Amino acid sequence: AQSVTQLDSQVPVFEEAPVELRCNYSSSVSVYLFWYVQYPNQGLQLLLKYLSGSTLVKGINGFEAEFNKSQTSFHLRKPSVHISDTAEYFCAVPASGTYKYIFGTGTRLKVLA
Amino acid sequence: GAGVSQSPSNKVTEKGKDVELRCDPISGHTALYWYRQSLGQGLEFLIYFQGNSAPDKSGLPSDRFSAERTGGSVSTLTIQRTQQEDSAVYLCASSLDRGLAGSDEQYFGPGTRLTVT
Repeated sequence: AQSVTQLDSQVPVFEEAPVELRCNYSSSVSVYLFWYVQYPNQGLQLLLKYLSGSTLVKGINGFEAEFNKSQTSFHLRKPSVHISDTAEYFCAVPASGTYKYIFGTGTRLKVLA
Repeated sequence: GAGVSQSPSNKVTEKGKDVELRCDPISGHTALYWYRQSLGQGLEFLIYFQGNSAPDKSGLPSDRFSAERTGGSVSTLTIQRTQQEDSAVYLCASSLDRGLAGSDEQYFGPGTRLTVT
């Protein structure tokens, strides 16, 4: 069965510093991978997704993620964060062959001034 | 255009009462999902509707939970005889099925915060 692990529940980082949020998945088949962001008191919105092709995926707000099949990872990165990036970030994968999605437990990014 | 809307935004109810949560998906989206978000728990899948197919109810935690989708559009999640452990944010999402299972972006509503006292 598919699973998603986000090891870091909270990540504090200073403004303008780089950040990496980690996501590992379990799968023996081709996967689609997603990162969503949830700002306070809002629903989730898509940051980026990997379906096929280039393993480096660029998303909104300057975020990017790299699909690494050998390490079953899809880590999210941003070279320089802003206060406005403070939010919770979720990694997600579809359950094999279905329309159901499995979400990680989320990483709360807190950007400090 | 209009996004996914949910109502009410907040609901406080007494233990044992029934509640109904409503979701209006984006027009034309054939897929609709309900999730439950509890503190520190991530998103828990509850139920999925796709077009005229039978819904996938595999995530409903008990028979107190049910959902329906009328006319392929609006959906209602009903929780009967609410318990304190039902307190959470209930999120609805919709997506446009492009025919490749698991590849579609989901559009989320702002959620309904349910508090059972």
